[in-house]
Amino acid sequence: KAGVTQTPRYLIKTRGQQVTLSCSPISGHRSVSWYQQTPGQGLQFLFEYFSETQRNKGNFPGRFSGRQFSNSRSEMNVSTLELGDSALYLCASSLEATGAQEAFFGQGTRLTVV
Amino acid sequence: AQSVTQLDSQVPVFEEAPVELRCNYSSSVSVYLFWYVQYPNQGLQLLLKYLSGSTLVKGINGFEAEFNKSQTSFHLRKPSVHISDTAEYFCAVKRGSQGNLIFGKGTKLSVKP
Repeated sequence: KAGVTQTPRYLIKTRGQQVTLSCSPISGHRSVSWYQQTPGQGLQFLFEYFSETQRNKGNFPGRFSGRQFSNSRSEMNVSTLELGDSALYLCASSLEATGAQEAFFGQGTRLTVV
Repeated sequence: AQSVTQLDSQVPVFEEAPVELRCNYSSSVSVYLFWYVQYPNQGLQLLLKYLSGSTLVKGINGFEAEFNKSQTSFHLRKPSVHISDTAEYFCAVKRGSQGNLIFGKGTKLSVKP
């Protein structure tokens, strides 16, 4: 069974640009969550999607957005990039959206903003 | 709101020695507890989880953790570490009604020969 796939693995963008990251969950998983990991702030929750609906959102500015498609694949978009957006972005998928479900993580997308 | 505190940011230890990585959490409601491991340039891998039942939980790679409700702790232990255990370890909590994890700041375990 294939794991969570995130593309691309590495990305370099310039300040002011926008970027779209992709996440393909494990087959059959309907819940997808996104996290930002930085050395200073650690792992912070961005948003969670279940059956194409955003169920929960972390404390990030509106420049960060996401969506989920009918096949459960998810994308997140960051507009007007800032240097501080440089981070490892991790996607996790679960069978359902309840707390007892184990989250399986992808290898992440390393975004560098210059 | 929930929060997770990992008391040690770095733990150096010699190979074959025992190790304990400490985790405390605060929450006004019942939560589920998890430990994840992250190797360099990788995502997170689940080591173990506590949902309910026995307070001693065994995970992969010889790790175990004990849930202590009165002390709101979920410390991770391994009786004998290997060089390959060198990684960063994250403690996390999740509320039953939500799917997102709340992570501690992580503990970097460095195993020396």
